[in-house]
Amino acid sequence: EIVLTQSPATLSLSPGERATLSCRASQSVGSYLAWYQQRPGQAPRLLIYDASNRATGIPARFSGSGSGTDFTLTISSLEPEDFAVYYCQQRGNWPPLTFGGGTRVEIK
Amino acid sequence: QVRLVESGGGVVQPGGSLRISCAASGFTFSDYGMHWLRQAPGKGPEWLALIRHDGDDKYYADSVKGRFTVSRDNSKNTLYLQMNSLKIDDTAVYYCAKTLRIALIVVADWGQGTQVTVSS
Repeated sequence: EIVLTQSPATLSLSPGERATLSCRASQSVGSYLAWYQQRPGQAPRLLIYDASNRATGIPARFSGSGSGTDFTLTISSLEPEDFAVYYCQQRGNWPPLTFGGGTRVEIK
Repeated sequence: QVRLVESGGGVVQPGGSLRISCAASGFTFSDYGMHWLRQAPGKGPEWLALIRHDGDDKYYADSVKGRFTVSRDNSKNTLYLQMNSLKIDDTAVYYCAKTLRIALIVVADWGQGTQVTVSS
């Protein structure tokens, strides 16, 4: 089973700042990595799939990069609604699909 | 507009059974694979199962294999998860989710979830 490690666990930033979230896989997943946003009390929402493809309706301030074992989600300028928990998830070697432990982006 | 509505959650004793459902609308249900996932309090999501669009192929996480069964009724646009031999650790919010595209298993649209609590 592929283990995904997300860092940092918590990111404290101000609105308008740039957020950089990391996800590292225990073995290569190719480009088969997705990112999800989860706000309190809501289901996760797909942001990015296959490392760099934005899902429908996702603002351009969200971008993804990476391949193999190292991936990054970047939020270019944080909006108030972006403060949430973010999860990475792989489908490069499945079953199972696996998720990372999450990064919480909080208001500084 | 894709809509997924889970139902059937509740409180069940350890060792008991429960079947939860997911009613789908806003897309051609029979064209898409469907996932079940869950999320325990304070934890990240955990993938449980995938069923292909025609129901012929099913895949499970080891944590539920042999205890949970995924099925679908394309005539009713409904997905099911039969859960047997439930354990305390199965307590979570259970979500159904649609794949992104035909033959692309990305977990895309999620329902709002249904709470399952296993407790004596």
